[in-house]
Amino acid sequence: DAGVIQSPRHEVTEMGQEVTLRCKPISGHNSLFWYRQTMMRGLELLIYFNNNVPIDDSGMPEDRFSAKMPNASFSTLKIQPSEPRDSAVYFCASSWDRVDQPQHFGDGTRLSIL
Amino acid sequence: KNEVEQSPQNLTAQEGEFITINCSYSVGISALHWLQQHPGGGIVSLFMLSSGKKKHGRLIATINIQEKHSSLHITASHPRDSAVYICAVPQGGSEKLVFGKGTKLTVNP
Repeated sequence: DAGVIQSPRHEVTEMGQEVTLRCKPISGHNSLFWYRQTMMRGLELLIYFNNNVPIDDSGMPEDRFSAKMPNASFSTLKIQPSEPRDSAVYFCASSWDRVDQPQHFGDGTRLSIL
Repeated sequence: KNEVEQSPQNLTAQEGEFITINCSYSVGISALHWLQQHPGGGIVSLFMLSSGKKKHGRLIATINIQEKHSSLHITASHPRDSAVYICAVPQGGSEKLVFGKGTKLTVNP
């Protein structure tokens, strides 16, 4: 089992640049979650998909953030334009679509916006 | 919205001690998650429970649905148990999780 795969592991870029984070969920899982973790706010859900359809994007901070899931094996989280306050660790997780199923997390992308 | 409170925020123990981390939530739930985040940053799901008790090695998780409270216990703690332990509960009837702020555990040799 390959687990949830995220790329890149680290990203450092200047403010104003576009940032794209990628996630490959565990094969067969039909729910995918994007989280952001900061020291101040802890872990927060940004958006989650079920069967490739966005179900809840209420956690997406603003229009600069967008997420897509074009197929069952790939999702992207894009920030354009990026700002220093977007610096955080971004996690992707996947699971079976039941509330009693555990979520499996990727290793995260550590994003630094200068 | 479900509110999740964890205590303590920080915990330092000596190797071999019995550890208890607490989690309280405000709205009834179907299942509660305990997660572990190691210093390297990776997050691992430890337990998901909806009633009673679950045990995995030296880790024990309990939940009291009526009191809306869960505890995570570590017996015979070891320095490799040093990590942040996070409690999470579903928001409403959805898969959306609400997280506690975490408990940072340091076990000294």
